[in-house]
Amino acid sequence: GQQLNQSPQSMFIQEGEDVSMNCTSSSIFNTWLWYKQDPGEGPVLLIALYKAGELTSNGRLTAQFGITRKDSFLNISASIPSDVGIYFCAGHGSSNTGKLIFGQGTTLQVKP
Amino acid sequence: NAGVMQNPRHLVRRRGQEARLRCSPVKGHSHVYWYRQLPEEGLKFMVYLQKENIIDESGMPKERFSAEFPKEGPSILRIQQVVRGDSAAYFCASADSDTQYFGPGTRLTVL
Repeated sequence: GQQLNQSPQSMFIQEGEDVSMNCTSSSIFNTWLWYKQDPGEGPVLLIALYKAGELTSNGRLTAQFGITRKDSFLNISASIPSDVGIYFCAGHGSSNTGKLIFGQGTTLQVKP
Repeated sequence: NAGVMQNPRHLVRRRGQEARLRCSPVKGHSHVYWYRQLPEEGLKFMVYLQKENIIDESGMPKERFSAEFPKEGPSILRIQQVVRGDSAAYFCASADSDTQYFGPGTRLTVL
């Protein structure tokens, strides 16, 4: 089945630094979504991308839908302690039932 | 969680018992998805339901697992004769169109 490869697996950065993470796939995805999950909670949608090449921002977050439709990245600028959590990419693949395929997650830790 | 309710939040069962997980979607949403998350992993799709219908159960194990979304009441994910490997966090997501809103999850522990 379709899979998403997310990297890096984890990051430990200093407060104020910028962060970048990405997702790749061997097959085309029709949408790309980025979620954040806090411990003991469900994923919360951060950014949704629907068109190849689309670049979207949400505050300090910026994400892009790759031109080939096989990759996406998420950037976080000027990180703060509350950015700590697990970030997942997800996408709607070839299925038309709306099910999401998730990456393995990037665990972000921010040192004050 | 945008109003998606799941209960219980934590569930402990012994091997061989049944587990029932409930999901109340956002009011007015008629689509419910169930996902399973093992520790240190991403979420894996299990089943997609619309009111009274199973649309896609391609991610659901063939045995012991079942799901329903009745006309009235919450969606139920049922696991019969649980085994230790069923221990995981189970999330439901509610959708009205393209966007899925996740609940807080039920953490199932099988002793």
